[in-house]
Amino acid sequence: DTEVTQTPKHLVMGMTNKKSLKCEQHMGHRAMYWYKQKAKKPPELMFVYSYEKLSINESVPSRFSPECPNSSLLNLHLHALQPEDSALYLCASSPLARLNNGELFFGEGSRLTVL
Amino acid sequence: SQQGEEDPQALSIQEGENATMNCSYKTSINNLQWYRQNSGRGLVHLILIRSNEREKHSGRLRVTLDTSKKSSSLLITASRAADTASYFCAANTNAGKSTFGDGTTLTVKP
Repeated sequence: DTEVTQTPKHLVMGMTNKKSLKCEQHMGHRAMYWYKQKAKKPPELMFVYSYEKLSINESVPSRFSPECPNSSLLNLHLHALQPEDSALYLCASSPLARLNNGELFFGEGSRLTVL
Repeated sequence: SQQGEEDPQALSIQEGENATMNCSYKTSINNLQWYRQNSGRGLVHLILIRSNEREKHSGRLRVTLDTSKKSSSLLITASRAADTASYFCAANTNAGKSTFGDGTTLTVKP
């Protein structure tokens, strides 16, 4: 079982809805990540937070808005999404302050469907 | 373009056989990692090899790294049906980004 918990596991939303994906870890990791994964494709990095500050934004559209309220929580706020945004959204954390130099611990993902 | 590219895209073997997957990358790396993903699930870290290492072992896993060829391989020995999954390499640069390869889908038949 993963120690990174993501909720909800499944989410269906319309293009005008506002929803949020949540991620929580209690391993004391200070780097947290959002990845997007389409079917049969590798995960693609979206955002990286280090010490609760946004450090990497991979040119993600503004309809995706990340938030890191504290060192254990990471949210992804969704608004005015498109059907092509349907994917598995994966949260990960890392025990090292130096970004991405260590092992990533992934949650099980939130399967998003945009109608 | 993808930092990590893998081959083969799909591999089907019998239980007990060995499985070898390859990964190539384009730029200098700090380390390279291998992950496993069961269908529709999250990724699980398998092994990390640093740029100054050439080979690493973990249980039935053996990873090699050739920085001159910018390539790595993952060998799973004595495969089991439970090894059926997708395997991804992730090239980790000094800029702090990990980029995943396209992945190899491994099927181990009992």
